Amino acid sequence: QLQLQESGPGLVKPSETLSLTCTVSGGSISSSSYYWGWIRQPPGKGLEWIGSIYYSGSTYYNPSLKSRVTISVDTSKNQFSLKLSSVTAADTAVYYCARSLIGYCSSTSCYAGYFDYWGQGTLVTVSS
Amino acid sequence: EIVLTQSPGTLSLSPGERATLSCRASQSVSSSYLAWYQQKPGQAPRLLIYGASSRATGIPDRFSGSGSGTDFTLTISRLEPEDFAVYYCQQYGSPWTTFGGGTKVEIK
Repeated sequence: QLQLQESGPGLVKPSETLSLTCTVSGGSISSSSYYWGWIRQPPGKGLEWIGSIYYSGSTYYNPSLKSRVTISVDTSKNQFSLKLSSVTAADTAVYYCARSLIGYCSSTSCYAGYFDYWGQGTLVTVSS
Repeated sequence: EIVLTQSPGTLSLSPGERATLSCRASQSVSSSYLAWYQQKPGQAPRLLIYGASSRATGIPDRFSGSGSGTDFTLTISRLEPEDFAVYYCQQYGSPWTTFGGGTKVEIK
């Protein structure tokens, strides 16, 4: 059974960089069939997709966060990671990592589809 | 960006009743690339429906999805006590996937 587990600091100071890692077990992150993504949920609010990465390292991000987000993958450790810079209180949220099937494909690229496996989520609070 | 609007915001129903949840897209969703999720307090979302109408593995057949283009519906034929939760739709028919704001199904 595939499992995903987020890890990282639960408290980050304003203007600093939020860093989280997702460890995948029970399956390989190097499969060509999937994207791996980050989604967040502010307390009491809805879901926001942050970005996704393919095992090859190909990434794409939510345009509203693109300037501050970096997602990377370490296939040797079966992990992928999120960095979000210059955080503010508005970045306080539960952060989820998830696996997605491949969805929409243009003439040049394919993108993440629906999310079938999720981590349990980790609350990150931005506060001094 | 495709904006998804879910309605109603809250649905108050009794166990055994039928629930009908709506998800409307600001533009047509390519290839019916629309998914539905259930989320209970303190838990991660759980995939229910993908491709607008295909049930995910292990999902009871009281959950069904329908629709195409800009209008999609999740129907729960008879509500069980464990179905009271928040439901989200997601479109993945464009490079940047987006989620709806959610519908809370609460016990009347």
